[in-house]
Amino acid sequence: EIVMTQSPATLSVSPGDRAALSCRASQSVGSNLAWYQQKPGQGPRLLIYGASTRATGVPARFSGSGSGTEFILTISSLQSEDFAVYYCQHYNNWPPWTFGQGTKVEIK
Amino acid sequence: QLQLQESGPGLVKPSGTLFLTCSVSGGSISGSRYYWGWVRQPPGKGLQWIGGIYYSGSPYYNPSLKSRVTISVDTSRNQFSLRLGSVTAADTAVYYCVRHFDWFDPWGQGTLVTVSS
Repeated sequence: EIVMTQSPATLSVSPGDRAALSCRASQSVGSNLAWYQQKPGQGPRLLIYGASTRATGVPARFSGSGSGTEFILTISSLQSEDFAVYYCQHYNNWPPWTFGQGTKVEIK
Repeated sequence: QLQLQESGPGLVKPSGTLFLTCSVSGGSISGSRYYWGWVRQPPGKGLQWIGGIYYSGSPYYNPSLKSRVTISVDTSRNQFSLRLGSVTAADTAVYYCVRHFDWFDPWGQGTLVTVSS
């Protein structure tokens, strides 16, 4: 099973600032990585797939990068609606599909 | 727009069986290239994929849960279901139904299932 590790667990950011969230895979997953956003009381929302392709309707301030074992989700200028928990997920050599433990982006 | 909605009991007794159904609207399960699956999230914790099934009935399960899980599909009702046996308090979680192939999209709103006597 591929283990996904996200860091930091919590990121304190001021509105308008840039945020960079890290996701590391225990073995190479190529570009087979997705990112999700989850707000309290809601199911996760797909943001990024293929490591860098934005899902339909996702604002351009969200960008993904990386390949192999190291990935970054960047939010270029945080808006109030972006404060949430973010998860990465691999889809290489499934099953199982596995998720990282999440990074909470909170207001500084 | 495809929508998924979970339904089922919110309280299950220890050693009992959890049973949830996901109703799909805005699209058909039949003939889809996607898997229809379940993900759970214990309170305050991360996401765990439970399993998924193709419309023709070929399931995949998380090895850590495989001995207790059954996922089935009813194409006539455009629904799929989760059965998890021998539940304990560790199975208390919000259960989401999802459509997936590689990534998961869309997700249902989730339903909280508590295991308690």
